Amino acid sequence: GAVVSQHPSRVICKSGTSVKIECRSLDFQATTMFWYRQFPKKSLMLMATSNEGSKATYEQGVEKDKFLINHASLTLSTLTVTSAHPEDSSFYICSADSYNEQFFGPGTRLTVL
Amino acid sequence: GEDVEQSLFLSVREGDSSVINCTYTDSSSTYLYWYKQEPGAGLQLLTYIFSNMDMKQDQRLTVLLNKKDKHLSLRIADTQTGDSAIYFCAEDTDKLIFGTGTRLQVFP
Repeated sequence: GAVVSQHPSRVICKSGTSVKIECRSLDFQATTMFWYRQFPKKSLMLMATSNEGSKATYEQGVEKDKFLINHASLTLSTLTVTSAHPEDSSFYICSADSYNEQFFGPGTRLTVL
Repeated sequence: GEDVEQSLFLSVREGDSSVINCTYTDSSSTYLYWYKQEPGAGLQLLTYIFSNMDMKQDQRLTVLLNKKDKHLSLRIADTQTGDSAIYFCAEDTDKLIFGTGTRLQVFP
């Protein structure tokens, strides 16, 4: 089956630093990948749609200069949280689209101190 | 606006049936999904139903859709301890909108 990996699975960083999260489709190519954020007691919220070779489409309320998304190849999308603050601490999940079905990565737990 | 709601918690005895409910607001949804999230893992698609169907059965899983009331349910027959997880419903309009998730706890 289609497998999506994320790296790192957990990251702890100091406030003000930048953190890069990678999302890879391991056995298929994905022209479209999605980034979600999971809030406590709330649902997964779509942050942005990442399209290979073009700019990401951000959802309303998501700061594109803070959450930089790059989808440089058909198997890799990266999310960089710039100048991270404690309120950015969350669980970030990516998914990759394969024939209109989304396959989810295992998620990355970001903790900003 | 788009809103998908679920109850937060459900506890059932092993062997009983579990019913997880979900309400949504966007009547233009084409597909509705049920995802399972085990601890520390990403979401796994359990099953889905097309919006013009009212029931779908897949082994122990039964999905019921009441489009008039915008109500979706997932029934798990013969619930096992391995079914303990968080279950998310999601509606698919032009993007996936997830519910809040229902934590299912199965006790012996």
